[in-house]
Amino acid sequence: DQQVKQNSPSLSVQEGRISILNCDYTNSMFDYFLWYKKYPAEGPTFLISISSIKDKNEDGRFTVFLNKSAKHLSLHIVPSQPGDSAVYFCAASSQTGANNLFFGTGTRLTVIP
Amino acid sequence: SQTIHQWPATLVQPVGSPLSLECTVEGTSNPNLYWYRQAAGRGLQLLFYSVGIGQISSEVPQNLSASRPQDRQFILSSKKLLLSDSGFYLCACKTTGLREKLFFGSGTQLSVL
Repeated sequence: DQQVKQNSPSLSVQEGRISILNCDYTNSMFDYFLWYKKYPAEGPTFLISISSIKDKNEDGRFTVFLNKSAKHLSLHIVPSQPGDSAVYFCAASSQTGANNLFFGTGTRLTVIP
Repeated sequence: SQTIHQWPATLVQPVGSPLSLECTVEGTSNPNLYWYRQAAGRGLQLLFYSVGIGQISSEVPQNLSASRPQDRQFILSSKKLLLSDSGFYLCACKTTGLREKLFFGSGTQLSVL
């Protein structure tokens, strides 16, 4: 049972434009959300996170938005750069399951120069 | 900051053969350690986690086992591999106090034939 879903396996965006990656979750107990970025043959690296007490968190070109009522979060990358091309994983956790991060299946972003 | 060493990067094993994947961590002490697996088309699934030497928790029943003989060493094993054990295996660590910010190794791509 996939509690965190990324329904778009791939996304292509022109350099300089906005990339929007989406993530949905089913468990209402999730209260902490993270985005990881993964290059080929490397492990995922932490990108940005958001707590459920917020609806937005920004770090440079990366912004994560959280809509708790819709159980939906999104990652915006503006402007997109070719070096952003990677697989992006959404992850979520709850206080009660603090030793487990639930991951989505990932979205492969390709930024076209 | 911590560094996670994981090897080998790729491994091809016949069905029924044993498995041993090793992960070592540098730059931190008493970390929580994790083994994740990504099977084709699936998100990252937590297999085992450890909060200390000799302490192993299993999240899903399977053909695999884990051990933590030293504070910064985490081993994933199997006595007899199955076809379904194929996947991308990732070791991760979390320093106590940082909620859910996992740091990942570079992963092992295991193909069981």
